[in-house]
Amino acid sequence: DTAVSQTPKYLVTQMGNDKSIKCEQNLGHDTMYWYKQDSKKFLKIMFSYNNKELIINETVPNRFSPKSPDKAHLNLHINSLELGDSAVYFCASSQGFKGDNEQFFGPGTRLTVL
Amino acid sequence: QKEVEQNSGPLSVPEGAIASLNCTYSDRGSQSFFWYRQYSGKSPELIMFIYSNGDKEDGRFTAQLNKASQYVSLLIRDSQPSDSATYLCAVNVYSSASKIIFGSGTRLSIRP
Repeated sequence: DTAVSQTPKYLVTQMGNDKSIKCEQNLGHDTMYWYKQDSKKFLKIMFSYNNKELIINETVPNRFSPKSPDKAHLNLHINSLELGDSAVYFCASSQGFKGDNEQFFGPGTRLTVL
Repeated sequence: QKEVEQNSGPLSVPEGAIASLNCTYSDRGSQSFFWYRQYSGKSPELIMFIYSNGDKEDGRFTAQLNKASQYVSLLIRDSQPSDSATYLCAVNVYSSASKIIFGSGTRLSIRP
């Protein structure tokens, strides 16, 4: 059973397009996250939701819009894609929103913008 | 100053030896400290967490925390080729309940 799943695994697209990445967790966790990992492997938090409410919104261009239809799902929509958006995007989840909880990561979505 | 700093490596250690990975952090209020392992092309997975000063052992892994020095380390005893990966140090941010900050990772290579 996959705990945290993401689709698609790979995404190749042209500059200016709009794309979405979906994430689902079956762990019963309350909190979900989106991270961006760049080519230097630096993993940076973008957003976090707790029970469908946005609790972390880092300095991210407003072309990025997360949506949480329920606490098991967190999607990421990106408008007007730019070359610099190329990265691996990881979804994660944790039980509770305190910083002392283990985060479980999905397999990642490798986004390439041409 | 970066919030969480790690030596990027690569750190090369012979099989069977002890690998020592280090991490410093800037937020004095941080309470929770994590070590994640990330194999190439895979997602991070938690291998150790520590909340109190001192040592915490789990199998071949020992996490060490010194809050006064703002320093956390990971020791891997009897290093195996399967330990070759990037190790990410992560620290919670005191002012933000759910946020943890990751270091840029140390690439560890175990040579046979």
